[in-house]
Amino acid sequence: GQQLNQSPQSMFIQEGEDVSMNCTSSSIFNTWLWYKQEPGEGPVLLIALYKAGELTSNGRLTAQFGITRKDSFLNISASIPSDVGIYFCAGQKGAAGNKLTFGGGTRVLVKP
Amino acid sequence: DVKVTQSSRYLVKRTGEKVFLECVQDMDHENMFWYRQDPGLGLRLIYFSYDVKMKEKGDIPEGYSVSREKKERFSLILESASTNQTSMYLCASSPPQGGPSQNIQYFGAGTRLSVL
Repeated sequence: GQQLNQSPQSMFIQEGEDVSMNCTSSSIFNTWLWYKQEPGEGPVLLIALYKAGELTSNGRLTAQFGITRKDSFLNISASIPSDVGIYFCAGQKGAAGNKLTFGGGTRVLVKP
Repeated sequence: DVKVTQSSRYLVKRTGEKVFLECVQDMDHENMFWYRQDPGLGLRLIYFSYDVKMKEKGDIPEGYSVSREKKERFSLILESASTNQTSMYLCASSPPQGGPSQNIQYFGAGTRLSVL
């Protein structure tokens, strides 16, 4: 099945830095979702985007639904150590059953 | 609060054993999903169900089957476990389209399965 292209695959953050990651696809999606997964846990929803061009914030997180409907990005501002984890984008095409297509994930680590 | 519960956090089984992974949701959601998660490969859909007794193959159904006898419960079955099925298994549920929170999937904590 198709996967979304998510980049970067991993990144190191230093406290206070702004970081960003993005997801691209060759197909159009009607919904974009961003999840965070912490070690030993399931993914937890961060932000849901339903409209092309939509920009939505959740605390220090901001995500945008690309105008072409083929991409999305997530920004984390003023990062803190508890931002570490794996961030996943997911797209939904509006098919029956709410089937999602996931990106490969961006692993966020703290700079030593 | 939304709750998806997977019966085991960790499971160790032997090659050839029949394995059942159980998932229960308390949100009256129509849709339920089983994924496996492997490093570098993200989440891959095994099977999903959009109603009781209904099931649809996902992207990697080979070696797996599912059962949905009740709306709240979705079971993943490995008929004869193999070492390449060692993985993290995640269950999710979602409400029907058109309503609030449409398209959002809510995940359980995962079951880490090791097949020896």
